[in-house]
Amino acid sequence: DAKTTQPNSMESNEEEPVHLPCNHSTISGTDYIHWYRQLPSQGPEYVIHGLTSNVNNRMASLAIAEDRKSSTLILHRATLRDAAVYYCILRAGGTASKLTFGTGTRLQVTL
Amino acid sequence: NAGVMQNPRHLVRRRGQEARLRCSPMKGHSHVYWYRQLPEEGLKFMVYLQKENIIDESGMPKERFSAEFPKEGPSILRIQQVVRGDSAAYFCASSYEPTGANYGYTFGSGTRLTVV
Repeated sequence: DAKTTQPNSMESNEEEPVHLPCNHSTISGTDYIHWYRQLPSQGPEYVIHGLTSNVNNRMASLAIAEDRKSSTLILHRATLRDAAVYYCILRAGGTASKLTFGTGTRLQVTL
Repeated sequence: NAGVMQNPRHLVRRRGQEARLRCSPMKGHSHVYWYRQLPEEGLKFMVYLQKENIIDESGMPKERFSAEFPKEGPSILRIQQVVRGDSAAYFCASSYEPTGANYGYTFGSGTRLTVV
């Protein structure tokens, strides 16, 4: 599986935007970029995924670099409920396959 | 439409007993994945099943662990002769995967196994 690199932790103030970076320099052409988050004592939660184009949904936006070697998850207005570990994961497209979780970024949101 | 249902939420077993963890995928999902999360660690893939078939068990310990996903009923992760090191949170995820498509996974809330 191609690897991803994320900062161990980040902090944000409530109601401000948060940009969570992810590097994936060995990404292959068929790899999708997935983001999940895990709130304390809960199972992971799907956030967003994309292939080449930027993506928006009700939870977040995903900005993908033109060379696809990096991406950024954008939370437009962080709230205390967004405090979680955020995982950036590459998943092979074409056939169903497992997700391989790394260590993720622990996001702290303060008042 | 209920999400992925896992039960029990909490399970306590004595060393040497068997643990059976159940996972009912979302309606319409035929792919199930099991993950284990040890205390203060990340999620580790264990096994991927599609109805009645094990597709990838590369993350399963070679002994004492088994998984099934029968034609009818939930997926079962079975741990025989549990040891203290099996204490962890076990998460199940399901997905809808027509060939060539790519969808997100839905995870359950997990079963927290404690071996005493």
